[in-house]
Amino acid sequence: DVKVTQSSRYLVKRTGEKVFLECVQDMDHENMFWYRQDPGLGLRLIYFSYDVKMKEKGDIPEGYSVSREKKERFSLILESASTNQTSMYLCASSSIRTVNQPQHFGDGTRLSIL
Amino acid sequence: GESVGLHLPTLSVQEGDNSIINCAYSNSASDYFIWYKQESGKGPQFIIDIRSNMDKRQGQRVTVLLNKTVKHLSLQIAATQPGDSAVYFCAALYNYGQNFVFGPGTRLSVLP
Repeated sequence: DVKVTQSSRYLVKRTGEKVFLECVQDMDHENMFWYRQDPGLGLRLIYFSYDVKMKEKGDIPEGYSVSREKKERFSLILESASTNQTSMYLCASSSIRTVNQPQHFGDGTRLSIL
Repeated sequence: GESVGLHLPTLSVQEGDNSIINCAYSNSASDYFIWYKQESGKGPQFIIDIRSNMDKRQGQRVTVLLNKTVKHLSLQIAATQPGDSAVYFCAALYNYGQNFVFGPGTRLSVLP
């Protein structure tokens, strides 16, 4: 089974702090994704990466950056955390070896910005 | 832009009854759809998928129906059990990459 592991389940940070969310997958997937999940809004794509050192903006990239130095690891960075970034953050990965493959998700990081 | 929506934010069913959860999508070019289940405190879990060249696909106790004419898909759960209580949401793959558009979800509650 695919395993996507997010480093923290819960995180509390202060406004203005730089925040790092880490994600690791063990299935050698090419694609990795960061979403935020808010009530009534569904999952919204922040950034995705289809290869090491490659990144693409999603629908809501403002206030975030990402890093993919190794294939298995994809980091989300909040450059200067703000209260409107309080949310559930989900990491996902998928393979490109065959078309139409599902994304596999981690269990999420619930981030609170005070 | 692309959108995916669900008709009901909540659904309550009696244990043992069948459940039907609906979803509509906007992009007629979407060719791949997935249903996910998200239990409290966990990430979304893949349930079943369907490609646009199919109308119906069955899994264990679950069936997905796709109506491309009206851009609608549904998830049917047979003999709903307490362990089926969760948020269910659909996702549609849109045609410029590996990215999905996700619906907001329906919370299924199973009543004893």
